[in-house]
Amino acid sequence: GENVEQHPSTLSVQEGDSAVIKCTYSDSASNYFPWYKQELGKGPQLIIDIRSNVGEKKDQRIAVTLNKTAKHFSLHITETQPEDSAVYFCAASPNTGFQKLVFGTGTRLLVSP
Amino acid sequence: SQTIHQWPATLVQPVGSPLSLECTVEGTSNPNLYWYRQAAGRGLQLLFYSVGIGQISSEVPQNLSASRPQDRQFILSSKKLLLSDSGFYLCAWRGTYTGELFFGEGSRLTVL
Repeated sequence: GENVEQHPSTLSVQEGDSAVIKCTYSDSASNYFPWYKQELGKGPQLIIDIRSNVGEKKDQRIAVTLNKTAKHFSLHITETQPEDSAVYFCAASPNTGFQKLVFGTGTRLLVSP
Repeated sequence: SQTIHQWPATLVQPVGSPLSLECTVEGTSNPNLYWYRQAAGRGLQLLFYSVGIGQISSEVPQNLSASRPQDRQFILSSKKLLLSDSGFYLCAWRGTYTGELFFGEGSRLTVL
């Protein structure tokens, strides 16, 4: 089955810096790659996603890139702010029916003022 | 608009006691429903998913079971809890035409 690896497990940056989180996946049939943000004590929320027919997608300060050949995708956050501090999860959907998502182990991002 | 409710929010149970976590979704019909468990350092592990009433798929062998007695109700149960069942349990639903998962607020279970 699908296996998703995520790095780093923790990331500390200064406010205004950029942050990059990377994920790799194993199933070449996966075609949907979302990123979720989880604030303390809450359920994760989708922040951006990308499908396999697109190489990059951007939404204000966040962007996601996908390299299907290498089977990896990354989340980029620019001009980080303290409210960006949270746990971020990447995921991959291993079939076109969108029946389930396989998540990475998460990255704890800390943005210091 | 769609909403998802999960309860209880927290509970502390002794080893060997039963468990019932409930999840309901409002504002949508025939959703795909999921139970995930979040343990420290292990990310989000899919436990069960359901594509319809009475249809349950289990992802990992374990001490837990799931049921879907109604279209928008998903229940996670155990007859006898183990220490290893401690964790943060998340219910989620997924729309028919999108890939987005919508999570509930979670239930934190501590087994002592």
